[in-house]
Amino acid sequence: EDQVTQSPEALRLQEGESSSLNCSYTVSGLRGLFWYRQDPGKGPEFLFTLYSAGEEKEKERLKATLTKKESFLHITAPKPEDSATYLCAVQSLPGGTSYGKLTFGQGTILTVHP
Amino acid sequence: DTEVTQTPKHLVMGMTNKKSLKCEQHMGHRAMYWYKQKAKKPPELMFVYSYEKLSINESVPSRFSPECPNSSLLNLHLHALQPEDSALYLCASSQEMGNYGYTFGSGTRLTVV
Repeated sequence: EDQVTQSPEALRLQEGESSSLNCSYTVSGLRGLFWYRQDPGKGPEFLFTLYSAGEEKEKERLKATLTKKESFLHITAPKPEDSATYLCAVQSLPGGTSYGKLTFGQGTILTVHP
Repeated sequence: DTEVTQTPKHLVMGMTNKKSLKCEQHMGHRAMYWYKQKAKKPPELMFVYSYEKLSINESVPSRFSPECPNSSLLNLHLHALQPEDSALYLCASSQEMGNYGYTFGSGTRLTVV
């Protein structure tokens, strides 16, 4: 069964203080790794999909990278509006018991103070 | 249209009530999902519909009954719920089951009293 572990559980940053969130995963065959942002009481908002080791994607202050065992979400010079819960999820290739499902990690609660 | 629309946004129901949650998408996606999310926890999969057929049921109690009337609509019928069923119920869709990223709706905040 697929497993996803995110760290840290919570991260407090000062505005402008760059940092990284970690997502470690175990999957029989990776179809894709996804990063979502979730604000309180709202549905997850799609950020990135990564498909193979070595792949990187960027969007504004966020950059996601992928290795064979983990993914990082790098946040450069964060602003208070970046405060949210960041969720990592994996999707398996057909044939595995988790096929058809998106398996989420517990999330990292990011707070950026002005 | 790149949205998944869920109604109602908030619902309070008694343990003897019957209510329904609705979800709609017009992106041509052929897979639709119901997730349940408790506070400070990740979303948990409940049901998956692929081409309007129920493909995955994650051993959800029968007091939750899903329905997919057509490729754009997904319903979740609720009956005789318990207070512990209070949660954020999320609908999502994707182009195909198990393929590509999911688009999530904003959710229905359900409170069972």
